[in-house]
Amino acid sequence: DAGVIQSPRHEVTEMGQEVTLRCKPISGHNSLFWYRQTMMRGLELLIYFNNNVPIDDSGMPEDRFSAKMPNASFSTLKIQPSEPRDSAVYFCASSLGTPTSEAFFGQGTRLTVV
Amino acid sequence: AQSVAQPEDQVNVAEGNPLTVKCTYSVSGNPYLFWYVQYPNRGLQFLLKYITGDNLVKGSYGFEAEFNKSQTSFHLKKPSALVSDSALYFCAVRHNTNAGKSTFGDGTTLTVKP
Repeated sequence: DAGVIQSPRHEVTEMGQEVTLRCKPISGHNSLFWYRQTMMRGLELLIYFNNNVPIDDSGMPEDRFSAKMPNASFSTLKIQPSEPRDSAVYFCASSLGTPTSEAFFGQGTRLTVV
Repeated sequence: AQSVAQPEDQVNVAEGNPLTVKCTYSVSGNPYLFWYVQYPNRGLQFLLKYITGDNLVKGSYGFEAEFNKSQTSFHLKKPSALVSDSALYFCAVRHNTNAGKSTFGDGTTLTVKP
């Protein structure tokens, strides 16, 4: 397996534009997580899915952020409209849906909003 | 609520010396504890985990961790540090009644000097 695949690796966009980040989890994993990492706030859990269903989105900062998982092999995180304070590295991770399972992280998407 | 604390932002050691990166946790019920490592411009990588059984857990790259229930700690250790061990290390706890969610510490930057 190629691991968790995220695209794009880098994204530079202007304030106000829509941004869509994509993630392909490891086949067979039924839990998927979106994290955001910044120097100021560290690693934050935004949302996670179990069997394609959003379980906890309490970490989503505001209504500008939305996430979907239409099937077991694909998820998106959308920011509309984007703002400079959204600049961060966004990670997708997947794991088996048991509490003893470790998470596998993608390489991340570095988002810069100017 | 579950929480993880990594009391040291930075740990500096000389190559060849033993290293310890500290982690304490707070969770009701049995904890499932994990260590991850993050190299620059990469996603987090799983190192090792404690689920049950032997309190000393061995993982990748010669790392090990000791689970101490009375002190609610799960410190990461390595007998002889390498310069290539320099990275950001995260401790995490995954709650056994909430299969999806993990709580991460703020991370500890390990620097190994030649």
